[in-house]
Amino acid sequence: SQTIHQWPATLVQPVGSPLSLECTVEGTSNPNLYWYRQAAGRGLQLLFYSVGIGQISSEVPQNLSASRPQDRQFILSSKKLLLSDSGFYLCAWQGTTYEQYFGPGTRLTVT
Amino acid sequence: KNQVEQSPQSLIILEGKNCTLQCNYTVSPFSNLRWYKQDTGRGPVSLTIMTFSENTKSNGRYTATLDADTKQSSLHITASQLSDSASYICVVSAFHGQNFVFGPGTRLSVLP
Repeated sequence: SQTIHQWPATLVQPVGSPLSLECTVEGTSNPNLYWYRQAAGRGLQLLFYSVGIGQISSEVPQNLSASRPQDRQFILSSKKLLLSDSGFYLCAWQGTTYEQYFGPGTRLTVT
Repeated sequence: KNQVEQSPQSLIILEGKNCTLQCNYTVSPFSNLRWYKQDTGRGPVSLTIMTFSENTKSNGRYTATLDADTKQSSLHITASQLSDSASYICVVSAFHGQNFVFGPGTRLSVLP
């Protein structure tokens, strides 16, 4: 069966510090991968998606970036965090059906 | 502009009661509509998914309906349980690209 992992589960970082969040998927090949952000009490906002290794599409301009170095690995990064980057970050994968499957999320607090 | 609206924003019901959540969308061209349940601090979990040709889909005590003509969907929860307390998110996808439009969610609280 397929599983999706995210780490860390929680993170507290000072403004201006770098960021690296990792997402890995098991049990499937060539999935579409997605990064979402959810601000407190708000809906999910699509940040990046990838249809293959090295292929990244950005949905919103921001100081974040994403990379897909391996088929089932998706990384979200920032060189300098802003206060507005605080939120709940969710990774998701999609196979050959319409279904998207979400990871457990990372709670990021920028102080 | 592609949008998904949900109502009510929040809802409080007593355990054992039924409730219905609403979703209106303007996403075009329509591909599919999904309902997710999201517990606090967790990732969303899929409840139902419907394509253009489907007008109802059930998953246990959850029943979703879709009216593609009026661009409306509802999620009906029967005999609510305390564990149903969560946010329920409506997501509509368009055919082109990776256009997933998320609604803001309805926060449901089931009280004993």
